[in-house]
Amino acid sequence: EVQLLASGGDLVQPGGSLRLSCITSGFTLTDYAMTWVRQAPGKGLEWVSGFSGPEQSTHYSDSVKGRFIISRDNSKNTVYLQMNSLRADDTAVYYCARFGGQPYWGQGTMVSVSS
Amino acid sequence: AIQMTQSPSSLSASVGDRITITCRASQYIRHDLDWYRQKPGKTPELLIYAASTLHSGVPPRFSGSAFATEFNLTISSLQPDDFASYYCLQTYAFPRAFGQGTRVHI
Repeated sequence: EVQLLASGGDLVQPGGSLRLSCITSGFTLTDYAMTWVRQAPGKGLEWVSGFSGPEQSTHYSDSVKGRFIISRDNSKNTVYLQMNSLRADDTAVYYCARFGGQPYWGQGTMVSVSS
Repeated sequence: AIQMTQSPSSLSASVGDRITITCRASQYIRHDLDWYRQKPGKTPELLIYAASTLHSGVPPRFSGSAFATEFNLTISSLQPDDFASYYCLQTYAFPRAFGQGTRVHI
């Protein structure tokens, strides 16, 4: 059974850092385009960052490029999102998702950036 | 980066209505576009991929079409389960981009 479990969300001050984790099971991590998507309260979906291709290249939206870093640990079946220089407009539920074939979404983890 | 412009942002409808939601891409994306439905408090569900292919298990009242850089999602007869938000997602290039969303309400 495919499962994605996101964690690490918290309340953080502007300028702070946070690392999100997405523990996966039921499939091979590198066979799919693992992705982070966020949704600000009452707003729409925003694609944030993801892997692509056999070489597992990394990609970022313009809004997070230079501040966020996506990575993975295949031995732990886990994808990470290191978030630095956080701003108020980064406040959102962060979902990890598996794209390619049947999509799967984790339940999301809440990140709040506020002083 | 490719931008997706989705319209309308909100739509009032009734059970049984036929509705169409549109996404326009800022540049050519072939037919590399997916449609998702998101019910309140839930994660998004894939409805259509490659602009017009119905995802497994999705009812045939959903259909997708494409004309150059304009993509449409049509629901032929709205059901109570369809009062939700809808998003397009371009899968042609990175970074990916969702449309702004369409909230379908009674």
